[in-house]
Amino acid sequence: KNEVEQSPQNLTAQEGEFITINCSYSVGISALHWLQQHPGGGIVSLFMLSSGKKKHGRLIATINIQEKHSSLHITASHPRDSAVYICAVRYGGATNKLIFGTGTLLAVQP
Amino acid sequence: DGGITQSPKYLFRKEGQNVTLSCEQNLNHDAMYWYRQDPGQGLRLIYYSQIVNDFQKGDIAEGYSVSREKKESFPLTVTSAQKNPTAFYLCASSIREGRSDQPQHFGDGTRLSIL
Repeated sequence: KNEVEQSPQNLTAQEGEFITINCSYSVGISALHWLQQHPGGGIVSLFMLSSGKKKHGRLIATINIQEKHSSLHITASHPRDSAVYICAVRYGGATNKLIFGTGTLLAVQP
Repeated sequence: DGGITQSPKYLFRKEGQNVTLSCEQNLNHDAMYWYRQDPGQGLRLIYYSQIVNDFQKGDIAEGYSVSREKKESFPLTVTSAQKNPTAFYLCASSIREGRSDQPQHFGDGTRLSIL
């Protein structure tokens, strides 16, 4: 069993829909990252959070430390949101090393 | 703008050859990382470096080597000992290893294929 599980693996949505991607983890962590990987392969960091909720534009990330679960929401989805979304967790303690989920492939159709 | 530059974007290697992937950053970050990405798998850590002239093995270091002679550069060599080198390789950096409040910044990756 992977230490970081994402669901769904693949997601197709219509433009304008509200999208949720989930991430569950089994280790104690100090922080959780949401990353976006473009079709060309480059990765952009969307959020880093250790508690509560963060919002940036149409993106919202939440984390529940007790339940070891995080969600990434996209409101009013757009075709340009099509990408792979990756959850990664950082172990607790003095380290910056990450454990990555396998990613969620999102396709938003016009 | 500061960032991480990986080159080349696509690389082809013949069987038995060593090949070196370049990673340069102008973010003044101390820590740098190399990851490997395979279809259906999460990124896996190959090597990381906390500071110049220091580096540590990650989870899948066999068949790879690195150097860190300069702060801004962390090249990865895929040696002929790596049995399955075809993959997408990503380089990342962060301000300092151990700073849990700092994100990692990623390059655009290099896709390596065996001829």
